[in-house]
Amino acid sequence: AQSVAQPEDQVNVAEGNPLTVKCTYSVSGNPYLFWYVQYPNRGLQFLLKYITGDNLVKGSYGFEAEFNKSQTSFHLKKPSALVSDSALYFCAVRDASGGYQKVTFGTGTKLQVIP
Amino acid sequence: EPEVTQTPSHQVTQMGQEVILRCVPISNHLYFYWYRQILGQKVEFLVSFYNNEISEKSEIFDDQFSVERPDGSNFTLKIRSTKLEDSAMYFCASSYTPGTMSYEQYFGPGTRLTVT
Repeated sequence: AQSVAQPEDQVNVAEGNPLTVKCTYSVSGNPYLFWYVQYPNRGLQFLLKYITGDNLVKGSYGFEAEFNKSQTSFHLKKPSALVSDSALYFCAVRDASGGYQKVTFGTGTKLQVIP
Repeated sequence: EPEVTQTPSHQVTQMGQEVILRCVPISNHLYFYWYRQILGQKVEFLVSFYNNEISEKSEIFDDQFSVERPDGSNFTLKIRSTKLEDSAMYFCASSYTPGTMSYEQYFGPGTRLTVT
């Protein structure tokens, strides 16, 4: 079984400050990890992924995430938050084996960037 | 940039009626999925589809649900007899281009299903 925990329902950060959205995961094999963003009444937009290689991955809109195997974490970060970053962020995991494995999502973290 | 499309964007139906939600995945992807998101809740996996058959399904995906790829482009989710609790946003996703390490799933904009 695979699972994702996003311990914070909401994260508030001032515009211009660094932001972190936390994610921890559990998977039986090696993980593929993803972050998605959802704006109101919109679909899920892919931000970034960890498949293999460098533990720090960079994605769209200046976001990055750090894979930490020992802590089973994949926290999303951005050095300087924008008001337009305000949205719902989902962390997701799947097992690396197989090509069609389902993705399991966390419960989501609402990011509110305060002007 | 290629994208997953879904129609309709909003479907209102009466309890007990059948609905078909349509998706056009990204053209060279091999794996297709349906997820749903009840308002304000997490995104839940329903079913995955590969090589013209179901690869995996969740406990939510009971006998009232079915999926089909009737031609080379469309991927459909049918709900045979809708219930009030089927009201949700339904997302289609596709993934994997052969020869790449691209395992991320790309999601469509969703169909909001309202059962009255």
